[in-house]
Amino acid sequence: AQSVTQPDIHITVSEGASLELRCNYSYGATPYLFWYVQSPGQGLQLLLKYFSGDTLVQGIKGFEAEFKRSQSSFNLRKPSVHWSDAAEYFCAVGAYMDSNYQLIWGAGTKLIIKP
Amino acid sequence: ETGVTQSPTHLIKTRGQQVTLRCSSQSGHNTVSWYQQALGQGPQFIFQYYREEENGRGNFPPRFSGLQFPNYSSELNVNALELDDSALYLCASSIDKTYEQYFGPGTRLTVT
Repeated sequence: AQSVTQPDIHITVSEGASLELRCNYSYGATPYLFWYVQSPGQGLQLLLKYFSGDTLVQGIKGFEAEFKRSQSSFNLRKPSVHWSDAAEYFCAVGAYMDSNYQLIWGAGTKLIIKP
Repeated sequence: ETGVTQSPTHLIKTRGQQVTLRCSSQSGHNTVSWYQQALGQGPQFIFQYYREEENGRGNFPPRFSGLQFPNYSSELNVNALELDDSALYLCASSIDKTYEQYFGPGTRLTVT
């Protein structure tokens, strides 16, 4: 069955430090992959997406992610985090289930920034 | 360009009542998807509408129903509300069924 796993419920990072959020998926075909960010009480903002081509994709706010087919992973990275990056981050896979397309979501990783 | 909007922002209902949530899609988008996000969890797919027809449904009972209008705006209706229906309901629009989805701010539904 298709699924998305974000192994880290919380991650704490010092401001200015680098960040990597993990995402692993289970899907039989080549997936569409997404990272979204959600600030408290808000909707979801698309950070970046991977459909095909270059496996390193750049997104907004200085984020990037790398698709590794052999590891079924799509980890999100940022070289230097800012206090405003504190939020919850969701990885999602666009997949066909029963011939219908839908997004399958991870449970999210909450990013906490230490001053 | 106007983004995805949802109304109302917050709603409090009593168990057994019915509720209608509304979503206006982003300009040029013909597909609307609805998600339920319980506290502390990722979104769960409810259903998707493409050009006014339901185009897929998640694991939600029939008391969750929807509509899409000719202008591609959409409604989510929930009958016979249960306490577990308390959640943030998110609407997302996209240019076509398989493109990236853009989300509205959500409607926070509380069932007491």
